[in-house]
Amino acid sequence: DGGITQSPKYLFRKEGQNVTLSCEQNLNHDAMYWYRQDPGQGLRLIYYSQIVNDFQKGDIAEGYSVSREKKESFPLTVTSAQKNPTAFYLCASSRGGEAKNIQYFGAGTRLSVL
Amino acid sequence: AQRVTQPEKLLSVFKGAPVELKCNYSYSGSPELFWYVQYSRQRLQLLLRHISRESIKGFTADLNKGETSFHLKKPFAQEEDSAMYYCALSSLGSARQLTFGSGTQLTVLP
Repeated sequence: DGGITQSPKYLFRKEGQNVTLSCEQNLNHDAMYWYRQDPGQGLRLIYYSQIVNDFQKGDIAEGYSVSREKKESFPLTVTSAQKNPTAFYLCASSRGGEAKNIQYFGAGTRLSVL
Repeated sequence: AQRVTQPEKLLSVFKGAPVELKCNYSYSGSPELFWYVQYSRQRLQLLLRHISRESIKGFTADLNKGETSFHLKKPFAQEEDSAMYYCALSSLGSARQLTFGSGTQLTVLP
């Protein structure tokens, strides 16, 4: 069950707290993505990175931050500015280029607010 | 802006019956369409893409540019087809990533 590893599986956030979700891949993929999944809304793109040290905002980037210091790692920080963080978060990766849309997904992290 | 609409949140069919999961999109350029599937307790994974023109697990999907649709079809549903299905769109030649629909939960009844 390798490929993309997300941790932790469950995470709880207190008011005013920043929390970081981990995403690691051993597929040697150039591109990585973070999605938020809410009931009835499908997947919405938060951030994506096509190459190390570069990333772009997706549709719902406000209240989130990312870094891409290593090819295999793309952590997502949910900041205190994100007022409604309770959701299921999915990380994905792809080879990039013409294969960018064949994405491989992690098992997800469920974030809840205490 | 590109948008993907899956009008059915829930769909139930009996085993052996035909099944069609609807997907409509809005995009003015040249789209690339996909179906992703998530089986119970498994990860989201690619099922098929329109440019491959292949049948996966008995499923096919044809891109109809006139009707801006990419419906997923299978002539005889099986119980193991029960899953959440997502239609997704990307613009060809663009750095823009996938836009997903809201998903359809398919249940195949015995």
